[in-house]
Amino acid sequence: KAGVTQTPRYLIKTRGQQVTLSCSPISGHRSVSWYQQTPGQGLQFLFEYFSETQRNKGNFPGRFSGRQFSNSRSEMNVSTLELGDSALYLCASSFTDRDQETQYFGPGTRLLVL
Amino acid sequence: AQSVTQLDSHVSVSEGTPVLLRCNYSSSYSPSLFWYVQHPNKGLQLLLKYTSAATLVKGINGFEAEFKKSETSFHLTKPSAHMSDAAEYFCVVSLFSGGYNKLIFGAGTRLAVHP
Repeated sequence: KAGVTQTPRYLIKTRGQQVTLSCSPISGHRSVSWYQQTPGQGLQFLFEYFSETQRNKGNFPGRFSGRQFSNSRSEMNVSTLELGDSALYLCASSFTDRDQETQYFGPGTRLLVL
Repeated sequence: AQSVTQLDSHVSVSEGTPVLLRCNYSSSYSPSLFWYVQHPNKGLQLLLKYTSAATLVKGINGFEAEFKKSETSFHLTKPSAHMSDAAEYFCVVSLFSGGYNKLIFGAGTRLAVHP
C-alpha cells in the first residue's frame, strides 16, 4: 500500500497570509491526525478527524482548522499566519486493530513564515 | 494521568557498538507503547509497538524493545549501531480517553553514531 502523502512538501508564506495543507491517508484508514513539530515545543497534537468529524483537538488557537472529506483525505488550514507558525506539520493516518490504534506518519510539510 | 519520559536527550555511540535508548512511562492501566524514528527532514517512521502479546518486541532495522511493567520502562536497544541509525527517536504512549486514542510523545532522543 502507498504510505501517507502530504502536499506541498515545502511552503513559504508571509505573515498575515493563510495556508492550506493536504494529507492523503493510507488506503482504508479512516482516521487522520495532525501535528506541529518545532525545535522548541517538540511534537504537539493539533486535531484528529474520523469519518469526516473532528473527534479530538489539541490546544491551538482557532486560526488552526481542518476538515476531512468522504474519501478520508484531510486538509489543514492556518489563517492569519504568524512567525511562530513556522514548523514541520505532520499528518498521520491510523487504523484500529483489536483495540490498538497505530499511527503512520507522512513526510510532513515544512512551512516557513516570513 | 499518562506520560512518557525519555531519559536522555542525546546519546552518542560508535558504529558497531550497542545502542540503548531509555524510556519510562506513567500509566494507570496497561498501555500501548510505540517507538518511532525520525531522520532529518523526514516524517516519523514506526519502529515497533507493544501489543501486550509479548514483552520483548522486535522491530525493523534490528531494533527491539522490552516492556517491563515492574519498572514502567520500554527501553529501545540494538546490538550493533550503524551509521544510518543516526536520527531522533520518540517513545510514545497511547492514551485511550473518550472513546478514542491519543498519542503522548516523549521529548525525543537524538542518536549520534560515530565511525
